Amino acid sequence: EAGVAQSPRYKIIEKRQSVAFWCNPISGHATLYWYQQILGQGPKLLIQFQNNGVVDDSQLPKDRFSAERLKGVDSTLKIQPAKLEDSAVYLCASSSRGDSSYNEQFFGPGTRLTVL
Amino acid sequence: GQQVMQIPQYQHVQEGEDFTTYCNSSTTLSNIQWYKQRPGGHPVFLIQLVKSGEVKKQKRLTFQFGEAKKNSSLHITATQTTDVGTYFCAGIYGNKLVFGAGTILRVKS
Repeated sequence: EAGVAQSPRYKIIEKRQSVAFWCNPISGHATLYWYQQILGQGPKLLIQFQNNGVVDDSQLPKDRFSAERLKGVDSTLKIQPAKLEDSAVYLCASSSRGDSSYNEQFFGPGTRLTVL
Repeated sequence: GQQVMQIPQYQHVQEGEDFTTYCNSSTTLSNIQWYKQRPGGHPVFLIQLVKSGEVKKQKRLTFQFGEAKKNSSLHITATQTTDVGTYFCAGIYGNKLVFGAGTILRVKS
């Protein structure tokens, strides 16, 4: 079974530029998550999708971050414009959550973003 | 908002010694999950605890969920160099999942 795919693996941009990350979850997984992990900290949930609907985006900085999962499969996360404090690893995860309880999350390798 | 506190932040042990990390929440959790992240890697699911007072074992790893469902622990018996990494708990509050800051484990051979 193929795992969660993410691209790019690394990205370096200057502040105020835009950047986009792509995630393809495990086939059949209805739930997709985007996390931000700053060095030395635990992953922080940015947005959670159930199929193509948003379940939770309470911690997404909506003035600069946006995410979509149009066909309920792959997803993109965009930052526009980037700030220095956005430097982090952006992790995508998916799970086969089918009811009200949480299932195991499978994480992708992440995209390491450096904002200069 | 909901927060899970993890202690210690960092532990350096001699190979063969035991290791324990603790996770605490000020409010009752629905479930709790544990993940391991190797240096440079991504989090990998270890286990989920659901019931009050639950204890689960995976070889040398023992996971416990408190009676009040506000705390949890992960204990590793006789650490090996392959155990190095950061161990995260992730507390589930209804439909929200919140990660702790993690405990970094280093094992000296």
